[in-house]
Amino acid sequence: DAGITQSPRHKVTETGTPVTLRCHQTENHRYMYWYRQDPGHGLRLIHYSYGVKDTDKGEVSDGYSVSRSKTEDFLLTLESATSSQTSVYFCAISPLRQNPYNEQFFGPGTRLTVL
Amino acid sequence: RKEVEQDPGPFNVPEGATVAFNCTYSNSASQSFFWYRQDCRKEPKLLMSVYSSGNEDGRFTAQLNRASQYISLLIRDSKLSDSATYLCVVTTRDDKIIFGKGTRLHILP
Repeated sequence: DAGITQSPRHKVTETGTPVTLRCHQTENHRYMYWYRQDPGHGLRLIHYSYGVKDTDKGEVSDGYSVSRSKTEDFLLTLESATSSQTSVYFCAISPLRQNPYNEQFFGPGTRLTVL
Repeated sequence: RKEVEQDPGPFNVPEGATVAFNCTYSNSASQSFFWYRQDCRKEPKLLMSVYSSGNEDGRFTAQLNRASQYISLLIRDSKLSDSATYLCVVTTRDDKIIFGKGTRLHILP
C-alpha cells in the first residue's frame, strides 16, 4: 500500500472553530490532493498541490485553505468550520498530474463532524 | 447532462453471475478513464485503467466507447468479495479529474 496517512482519523468539532487536517506521504510524490466525499455526490476536489508551496483551487474550495511547506505534508484548514463541512475527507497523491495511465493513491480518510 | 454519470444501483447479483456497469461522460475531449473500487468506509483504490482498445484483468473487462461517450466494466464469475462501490473516473484535457457517484454492487451467496 502507498504510504499515506491522515490525521486525525475522526474529529467532532463545533461550528466556528478552526480545524486542520493533515496528510502525510512517504512516497515523495509531487502531486497531492484533498477531496471531500458526501452521500449523493462523487468525490469532489477541494484543493491540490503540485509542489512545495504550489497549490491551486479545486471545484469546492470555498471555506478551505491549504499549505504545503514540505513535500511529504499537505494540510487542509477550515478557518471557521460550518455544519456543511461535515464530510469524509480524503487525501490523495500521484507522481504525475496528468498521465493516461496515472493512478491516484488515497489515504484512509478523516471523518469530520461539525456540530 | 452531468459530467460523469453512473447508475447508483444497488445491483444485487448472485455469486457466480456476470454483471456489467456503464458510465457515461459529457466531455468529448476526455482523455483518461479509470475504474476505482471503494469498500464500505474505506478509501477508493484503482481497479483498472481503461484503454482505448479495451482491456482485461482476470475476471474484469473494461471497455471504452468514445463515439457514444461511455465506459463499461464487466465482472465475470462474481465473488462475494466483489461487493463494493465502483467509481468511474474521467480526466479531461484541461486537467480536471471527475469522479462519478459510484455504483453499489452486492454479491449474494
